[in-house]
Amino acid sequence: NAGVTQTPKFQVLKTGQSMTLQCAQDMNHNSMYWYRQDPGMGLRLIYYSASEGTTDKGEVPNGYNVSRLNKREFSLRLESAAPSQTSVYFCASREWNSPLHFGNGTRLTVT
Amino acid sequence: GENVEQHPSTLSVQEGDSAVIKCTYSDSASNYFPWYKQELGKRPQLIIDIRSNVGEKKDQRIAVTLNKTAKHFSLHITETQPEDSAVYFCAASRGKIIFGKGTRLHILP
Repeated sequence: NAGVTQTPKFQVLKTGQSMTLQCAQDMNHNSMYWYRQDPGMGLRLIYYSASEGTTDKGEVPNGYNVSRLNKREFSLRLESAAPSQTSVYFCASREWNSPLHFGNGTRLTVT
Repeated sequence: GENVEQHPSTLSVQEGDSAVIKCTYSDSASNYFPWYKQELGKRPQLIIDIRSNVGEKKDQRIAVTLNKTAKHFSLHITETQPEDSAVYFCAASRGKIIFGKGTRLHILP
């Protein structure tokens, strides 16, 4: 039982490049989330999907897009990466009013 | 939207003493309040959670209290041990989950 799987683990991009962070869960959870973590800023919500077919903005959605491909998968896309998007990105999933289960994170550096 | 404030940002306690971390939230409709522990380089892990119909919950050395009227909740760790050193995050939810900025807890020998 893998839980929440994120790929890649590490990525270095140049300013202006695009990429997609992948996330998949095998717990049959309805809700999925993308957070970014920066020193001293805690975990900030980028986008979330309460159920398959729906997505909503979080606290810091600018510069990102998401796709809830099916119940298992929720991807995060950076269309034109900026140095301010250097961060650790966590995907998570859960059922309503239950704990979040986090993936191991993607460490992204934009130069 | 929901806003979660967490204090203190850093806390140092002697091994064996108690540690208390406090959080306030802004959305009175929030009904689920988890606490996470994060060790360096690892993902956050749930340590305890409480729902809005409960005022207090305890699990061995860890307890959480919730005051819905005042919109604040607290984490209490008793008999602290070196392995309690980590960053702790509170969160509030009524759908999406919003986190506080974290408390770095140092357990001093």
